[in-house]
Amino acid sequence: TQLLEQSPQFLSIQEGENLTVYCNSSSVFSSLQWYRQEPGEGPVLLVTVVTGGEVKKLKRLTFQFGDARKDSSLHITAAQPGDTGLYLCAASSGGSYIPTFGRGTSLIVHP
Amino acid sequence: EAEVAQSPRYKITEKSQAVAFWCDPISGHATLYWYRQILGQGPELLVQFQDESVVDDSQLPKDRFSAERLKGVDSTLKIQPAELGDSAMYLCASSQILTSGMPYEQYFGPGTRLTVT
Repeated sequence: TQLLEQSPQFLSIQEGENLTVYCNSSSVFSSLQWYRQEPGEGPVLLVTVVTGGEVKKLKRLTFQFGDARKDSSLHITAAQPGDTGLYLCAASSGGSYIPTFGRGTSLIVHP
Repeated sequence: EAEVAQSPRYKITEKSQAVAFWCDPISGHATLYWYRQILGQGPELLVQFQDESVVDDSQLPKDRFSAERLKGVDSTLKIQPAELGDSAMYLCASSQILTSGMPYEQYFGPGTRLTVT
């Protein structure tokens, strides 16, 4: 079973700061997704990355897939309180369609 | 915008009682997932359906949990008897039919928060 490790586990920052969170594994992934989950709600899909080295931008969020497709990062520029939430990565490898989630990074952005 | 529906949103039950959760996926989504999420952790897959067939239920505690998707549309997850350790968020997600080499994108419902007392 592949293991997705996310870091840091917790992050508390002030509004306007930049941050990066990571998702790492020893497995090669066919695709990887990032989700944001607010307390008491289900995760909401942010992005899917497929190609090694791929970079995708969603407003102030920048997602990168590692060249070897074993890791990914999420960078947030000028964080806002509305960015507060649990950021989860999920992936599957090879021909498996069975998804695995990381434990998530819990982000709090203080006004 | 189409959404995954789940009910109830909250459930409090006593241990040893039976409890059931319902999920209605996005119309046209052939794949349906049930997850359990303990506070502070990522979702853990319990069971995955493709239409009415189970794709994977290796992490489903089959002595007390059961899941069905009889007509390949909506689904029910049941726990009987409930134990204190079952307290968690139960999430349902759906995605379009899985094809080789294509990434799946899951869309989640709001979840059912279960508290076992």
